[in-house]
Amino acid sequence: EGQLVESGGGLVQPGESLRLSCAVSGFNMSNYWMHWVRQAPGKGLVWVSRINIPGTNVAYADSVRGRFTISRDTAKNTLYLQMNSLRSDDTAVYYCTREMFLNWFDPWGQGTLVTVSS
Amino acid sequence: DIQMTQSPSSLSASVGDRVTITCRASQRINTFLNWYQQKAGKAPALLIYDASTLKSGVPSRFSGSGSGTEFTLTISSLQREDFATYYCQQYNTYSPAFGQGTKVEIK
Repeated sequence: EGQLVESGGGLVQPGESLRLSCAVSGFNMSNYWMHWVRQAPGKGLVWVSRINIPGTNVAYADSVRGRFTISRDTAKNTLYLQMNSLRSDDTAVYYCTREMFLNWFDPWGQGTLVTVSS
Repeated sequence: DIQMTQSPSSLSASVGDRVTITCRASQRINTFLNWYQQKAGKAPALLIYDASTLKSGVPSRFSGSGSGTEFTLTISSLQREDFATYYCQQYNTYSPAFGQGTKVEIK
């Protein structure tokens, strides 16, 4: 099934930047579309961004478009999320996940917590 | 964008109870509807895809049904390890969407 391990979360101040990484093992990430999904404390799941196989087609939720950038390094089998101009409402656990057949997500990483606070 | 609405938002049930959660889509989505289970402090985990296909390894007490705009997740006999939050999810071309979640608590 494979394993996804996120890293890079932490406490930052509003307006600062952070880069999240998602290290993939057990499958070749270059064969799949990949996504980021976030979950604010005590809230539900919210889709953030996706990237296609060659990395040429990306999409973002309205709330992060223009501030976040998704990318992938197939040689390292790693997915990234560059987050700029962070706001307090970006505080959440960020999960990376693999898309299956333009439909469902499986598996998921364990998540990395991003806290934006002054 | 397609919106997903789950009901109820929470429910209390006892071990052995039959539990049904409903998910409604704002537009017809055929059977492109998936269910996830999330236990406290853990990542979501896929339970059911394509509305009714059980992921390998998921207990048979879980089942899904529906098509179009209305879908259900049923747990035939609730077990202690099933107390969790459940999310439905659809994926159209540009923007996947999740329901707001249904928390299943112990009565």
